[in-house]
Amino acid sequence: KNQVEQSPQSLIILEGKNCTLQCNYTVSPFSNLRWYKQDTGRGPVSLTIMTFSENTKSNGRYTATLDADTKQSSLHITASQLSDSASYICVVSARTGNQFYFGTGTSLTVIP
Amino acid sequence: DTEVTQTPKHLVMGMTNKKSLKCEQHMGHRAMYWYKQKAKKPPELMFVYSYEKLSINESVPSRFSPECPNSSLLNLHLHALQPEDSALYLCASSPTGTYGDEQYFGPGTRLTVT
Repeated sequence: KNQVEQSPQSLIILEGKNCTLQCNYTVSPFSNLRWYKQDTGRGPVSLTIMTFSENTKSNGRYTATLDADTKQSSLHITASQLSDSASYICVVSARTGNQFYFGTGTSLTVIP
Repeated sequence: DTEVTQTPKHLVMGMTNKKSLKCEQHMGHRAMYWYKQKAKKPPELMFVYSYEKLSINESVPSRFSPECPNSSLLNLHLHALQPEDSALYLCASSPTGTYGDEQYFGPGTRLTVT
């Protein structure tokens, strides 16, 4: 069964600290993996996309990693800011069926 | 223009009302999606339109009726909804609807059914 699981479910960190969010998936055959940021009451916004051959990709203070062998991805946020408070969703696409599989999300709260 | 717009932003309706949600994009995308999202949950796919034809219906109750008048517009007609249908309804579009696409999401319509 194609599934995407994220951990932790929620996280509270101090402003300026770093954090890492995890995404494990069983989607097969794998096409790509995206990390989205969703502010409360708003639509998700894409942060990064990882394909099978990519291990690391950065977008400003966001760095995503992908291990296609273990089917794991992480999103590392450096020097967190209050505006980073949001839900972070991992979405995996399969090469068949044209489906997007959404993870359960991690709710991040950055406090001053 | 890389924006997906949705109207209205908020909607309150009774269980006997008929209302419609509207979604628009002008990026030339040929696939459009409706998602339902409950609080603290990931979006759940409802419908997919590919090249203006309904390609996926995730067993959604008939009280939700999608319509794609043209490649830029997507509507969701609502009738006889239940309180449990209250949620954030997200529209998204992507270039072709295939697995390599990036989906662009609108800001959502917050629906409350009373």
